Amino acid sequence: AQSVTQPDIHITVSEGASLELRCNYSYGATPYLFWYVQSPGQGLQLLLKYFSGDTLVQGIKGFEAEFKRSQSSFNLRKPSVHWSDAAEYFCAVASTGTASKLTFGTGTRLQVTL
Amino acid sequence: KAGVTQTPRYLIKTRGQQVTLSCSPISGHRSVSWYQQTPGQGLQFLFEYFSETQRNKGNFPGRFSGRQFSNSRSEMNVSTLELGDSALYLCASRYGQGGYEQYFGPGTRLTVT
Repeated sequence: AQSVTQPDIHITVSEGASLELRCNYSYGATPYLFWYVQSPGQGLQLLLKYFSGDTLVQGIKGFEAEFKRSQSSFNLRKPSVHWSDAAEYFCAVASTGTASKLTFGTGTRLQVTL
Repeated sequence: KAGVTQTPRYLIKTRGQQVTLSCSPISGHRSVSWYQQTPGQGLQFLFEYFSETQRNKGNFPGRFSGRQFSNSRSEMNVSTLELGDSALYLCASRYGQGGYEQYFGPGTRLTVT
């Protein structure tokens, strides 16, 4: 069965500082991985995705993520955080085939201090 | 291109009642999935529909059901509501043929009293 672990429930960073959110996955085949962001009371917005190829993927809002198969990780990074980045971030893995579903981690809440 | 829309955005129901939520996918997307989000259980998959057929189902009781129409719009129904059904219900759409990224709507916040 597929699973996703986000070990950090809550992270606080200062505006302008760099950010790394951790994600570890378990999936039997080649994983299809995603990062989503959710602002309070809102739906999920897709930040970036990894299917294959280059292990460093770029997303929206200046985010990037690096896929490391040997570590079963897909960590999200941003060089300089803005106050508007405060939100909850979810890592997810998709099952593949005719039917597909996303399995999410428990999320990491990011707080940005000014 | 318009995103995924969900109606209503907020809903308050009483225990024992039933509720129907609606979702319109992105134009051209044929697959619609539903997820339940609660503080205790996080994001959990309910079911996926493609071309009016349920293709996948999560571990929820039979009180949770859904359907999809020929225009790909989807509804989910919860009968005999329980307090624990209070949650944010999210709908997501994708192309359905090989494309695995899902795009989410704003959700319907259901409160059961």
